[in-house]
Amino acid sequence: QSALTQPASVSGSPGQSITISCTGTSSDVGGYNYVSWYQQHPGKAPKLMIYDVSNRPSGVSNRFSGSKSGNTASLTISGLQAEDEADYYCSSYTSSSTLEVFGGGTKLTVL
Amino acid sequence: QITLKESGPTLVKPTQTLTLTCTFSGFSLSTSGVGVGWIRQPPGKALEWLALIYWDDDKRYSPSLKSRLTITKDTSKNQVVLTMTNMDPVDTATYYCAHRPGVFAFDIWGQGTMVTVSS
Repeated sequence: QSALTQPASVSGSPGQSITISCTGTSSDVGGYNYVSWYQQHPGKAPKLMIYDVSNRPSGVSNRFSGSKSGNTASLTISGLQAEDEADYYCSSYTSSSTLEVFGGGTKLTVL
Repeated sequence: QITLKESGPTLVKPTQTLTLTCTFSGFSLSTSGVGVGWIRQPPGKALEWLALIYWDDDKRYSPSLKSRLTITKDTSKNQVVLTMTNMDPVDTATYYCAHRPGVFAFDIWGQGTMVTVSS
């Protein structure tokens, strides 16, 4: 069982916006601004999309944005495109001895 | 340009020890704040954080696997090595190494190497 909880799947139509949630506790998501989001296409390595809750690495589309409220972080993708169809994972720093934990992943389907 | 590549056996027998090497370029593991981590992903399942080593030789391990894992670095060779003892079929997974820059995230990942545990 993953330490961070994500919905198993979300879907949306091209052009729409979707939000993927990532729920933890005050020991991880809620306690620190060290939440990251990764995109993974089938058979490929994960790609960093968001770090430190809401920062985008160079080269990542501004259609991707991150936020946090309490113990839940969120990834929003606006103007959905077919190429956004992928698995998305959140991760967070944790004050437990683990240091870092991943969510269980969310499969995004673009209808 | 930062690149990382994992190497090691594709097949190991139960109870054997797995040794994986991450060979990287484009950065130095002696630079303050930099680290290299290992993450694995069983077929069809989620990512699992395994271990991380920082520039100053600070090492962190997944608590559930800590007794079986060892991570080391060879700065002169630009390599990070992960060993996992007592392999079991449930350890079958793609193993990734990834670059940890000065921020708390893995910004560049290797292509991954699939390891199957079977007799």
